Amino acid sequence: EIVLTQSPGTLSLSPGERATLSCRASQSVRSSYLAWYQQKPGQAPRLLIHGASSRATGIPDRFSGSGSGTDFILTISRLEPEDFAVYYCQHYGSSKLTFGGGTKVEIK
Amino acid sequence: EVQLVESGGGLVQPGRSLRLSCAASGFTFDDYAMHWVRQTPGKGLEWVSGISWNSGSIAYADSVKGRFTISRDNAKNSLYLQMNSLRAEDTALYYCAKDKYVSGSYSPFDNWGQGTLVTVSS
Repeated sequence: EIVLTQSPGTLSLSPGERATLSCRASQSVRSSYLAWYQQKPGQAPRLLIHGASSRATGIPDRFSGSGSGTDFILTISRLEPEDFAVYYCQHYGSSKLTFGGGTKVEIK
Repeated sequence: EVQLVESGGGLVQPGRSLRLSCAASGFTFDDYAMHWVRQTPGKGLEWVSGISWNSGSIAYADSVKGRFTISRDNAKNSLYLQMNSLRAEDTALYYCAKDKYVSGSYSPFDNWGQGTLVTVSS
């Protein structure tokens, strides 16, 4: 089972700033089967990025994903007020899927 | 519009059973694998179980293997999770989630329900 470790646990930033979130895998994620989700309080998670770098339908281009192997990054180029939320990475390249522990992006 | 509506949650004593259901609409249900994901209040996400489009491939997290059983009824556009021998640590919000890609591919989840709350307590 691949363990995903996200850092930092909390990121305190102001609107307009750039956010960089990390997801590190315990072993190589084949074919970049790595996704990112956003979750706001009281809501279900929403798919942002799949295949490590492909934006899901309707996701603004200020969200971008990069990385391969064991190290992946979610970047939000300029934080909008609606972007303050919790972000999770997910590995989906095997029969046992795993999620990272999440990074909370909060308003500074 | 894709809709996933979970039901069946509630308060149950340790050691007892509960069956969750997920009613799907707005897409061709039997084209997609489906999953259950849970979230402990205030905590992160944990994948629980997944089932392929034709029930031919099923997987469980180690934490529930041997106690939970996933199933689906494609004629009824429904997904189920039979939970036996429940423990306090199974207390969580249980989400039903749909694969983004049609059957046969590894896939992230592109649609989620709103969840049903399971509380295991005496």
